[in-house]
Amino acid sequence: DTGVSQDPRHKITKRGQNVTFRCDPISEHNRLYWYRQTLGQGPEFLTYFQNEAQLEKSRLLSDRFSAERPKGSFSTLEIQRTEQGDSAMYLCASSPRVVSDYGYTFGSGTRLTVV
Amino acid sequence: DAKTTQPNSMESNEEEPVHLPCNHSTISGTDYIHWYRQLPSQGPEYVIHGLTSNVNNRMASLAIAEDRKSSTLILHRATLRDAAVYYCFSGYSTLTFGKGTMLLVSP
Repeated sequence: DTGVSQDPRHKITKRGQNVTFRCDPISEHNRLYWYRQTLGQGPEFLTYFQNEAQLEKSRLLSDRFSAERPKGSFSTLEIQRTEQGDSAMYLCASSPRVVSDYGYTFGSGTRLTVV
Repeated sequence: DAKTTQPNSMESNEEEPVHLPCNHSTISGTDYIHWYRQLPSQGPEYVIHGLTSNVNNRMASLAIAEDRKSSTLILHRATLRDAAVYYCFSGYSTLTFGKGTMLLVSP
């Protein structure tokens, strides 16, 4: 297993366009998390899945954001009608069980630039 | 999630020990304390975690106060590759990051 994979690593898009990111977690991890990180700040929680069920969503996740995890494997994060404020690093992480006991494994992230 | 407080930055010389403090005064009795670090342009990397007892691994040691309201991450001999932002936090279903401590290591 090569860890958590995210694709693409970098994405530049024009304001108003839609973008989709993909995350492939460690195969035996049933929990998957999305975070967003802007320059100089720590990662901010967006949402998490246990298997295919989306169990928690942050208020940061506006209506323009949607995340899915069909079949409890990979996950996608879509941003519709992107805005310049969406420019950030989008991080995915996975965990085998309750994160308090096991912690996360993070991917390298997708850096989004909205121009 | 417990609110954590860390210094914004710390400096160290190479091959010297580093003690990174964290206050987590509102921690729940059953939540582990986690430490991660983040190098530039990379995702956060797990360093260590513990519940009540002090913990050691190949990367670092974690000293947890008896009342669990604070902890200290100990890097026994800092290297240039240890220069990163270090985050401490606790939680149950999700982990909330603060701004962390930027560790600067000088040769």
